[in-house]
Amino acid sequence: ETGVTQTPRHLVMGMTNKKSLKCEQHLGHNAMYWYKQSAKKPLELMFVYSLEERVENNSVPSRFSPECPNSSHLFLHLHTLQPEDSALYLCASSPGYTSTDTQYFGPGTRLTVL
Amino acid sequence: EDQVTQSPEALRLQEGESSSLNCSYTVSGLRGLFWYRQDPGKGPEFLFTLYSAGEEKEKERLKATLTKKESFLHITAPKPEDSATYLCAVQAANDYKLSFGAGTTVTVRA
Repeated sequence: ETGVTQTPRHLVMGMTNKKSLKCEQHLGHNAMYWYKQSAKKPLELMFVYSLEERVENNSVPSRFSPECPNSSHLFLHLHTLQPEDSALYLCASSPGYTSTDTQYFGPGTRLTVL
Repeated sequence: EDQVTQSPEALRLQEGESSSLNCSYTVSGLRGLFWYRQDPGKGPEFLFTLYSAGEEKEKERLKATLTKKESFLHITAPKPEDSATYLCAVQAANDYKLSFGAGTTVTVRA
């Protein structure tokens, strides 16, 4: 595997389900990100981890819970989601956070909440 | 608050018909401006980073330019494979987050 990978690629869940999104980066980077992309809207930054420490949390509802066990893996735990949470969830990584390092994106997980 | 506005929202081109996409930004000091390409069902793919007004970068049929208020992505003699959504993002001097525009969806017809 190369670059940034995400699983699953597609997920359909009910509002009472609990699921997790997984991201893995094979680039040796120290920063990882979760973004939400809704149709016709700009990417919204959700969380940033730098060296496994959360450094950004952009007023994201508590039904989204991130986890970064090491610098290569990032999870987004989902529970009691709402239909408006349906979107493409993108993971990204960069060499560092406190610089103009380029962010490299994974393919995304298309989430549908019924 | 940083703002990024991309225009037009959609652009339909005939193969070989050159055009430009616009990214207007308002930021408290620019650290960097990024262009990405996104194909349907995929994540954004990095194209360019521009750091200061007057800077230009090229890659195949794409050329990005930067002024103090906007950036242009010029597509010269586009081919159908250039069809994608092009995203612009800025990073402010006092922050490290990227603020993205909503994108321009380019469709190139053969």
